[in-house]
Amino acid sequence: QLQLQESGPGLVKPSETLSLTCTVSGGSISSNTYYWGWIRQPPGKGLEWIGSIYYSGSAYYNPSLKSRVTISVDTSKNQFSLRLSSATAADTAVYYCARHHWSGSYCYFDYWGQGTLVTVSS
Amino acid sequence: QSVLTQPPSVSGAPGQRVTISCTGSGSNIGAGYDVHWYQQLPGTAPKLLIYGNSDRPSGVPDRFSGSKSGTSASLAISGLQAGDEADYYCQSYDSSLSASVFGGGTKLTVL
Repeated sequence: QLQLQESGPGLVKPSETLSLTCTVSGGSISSNTYYWGWIRQPPGKGLEWIGSIYYSGSAYYNPSLKSRVTISVDTSKNQFSLRLSSATAADTAVYYCARHHWSGSYCYFDYWGQGTLVTVSS
Repeated sequence: QSVLTQPPSVSGAPGQRVTISCTGSGSNIGAGYDVHWYQQLPGTAPKLLIYGNSDRPSGVPDRFSGSKSGTSASLAISGLQAGDEADYYCQSYDSSLSASVFGGGTKLTVL
């Protein structure tokens, strides 16, 4: 059974960079069928796609966050990572990593991590 | 404001059938991109409920069904149970934004 687990600091200071890693187990991140994505959810609010990456390193980002986001992949560790620069209180959210099935008209997230709360505060 | 519009809340009595709508536009649902639905129980991660407009992943009861027409989609839940109380989100792809987009979510209350 595929499992994803987010890890990283739960508290980030304003203007600093938020960094998270997702470790994939029970399957290979190097599959040529899937992308691997990050989604966030501010407290009490809805879901927002941040971006996704293919095992080759090709990444796609939400235009609203593109200037601040970098997603990378480490196939040797079966991990992918998120970096969000110049963090503000508006970036406080539960961050989820997920497997992203993206092909043609299909674009959905079928396996999710449990999520990790990141608070941006001094 | 979300690109995909959902009602903030719906409710129904146990055993009843409810539907949740998801309205998009010509750059997402109307452009032929599939609609997918997620169930988020309180305090948990979203779970894929419906993919490809109407397909159910293994393990999802057939009480849950999805449909799509034009620029809108719907999720139907029949035989409501107390355990169905959750937030439900629709999701698709928007070609104008070049982004995966979610609806604002609908809170289902079982009376």
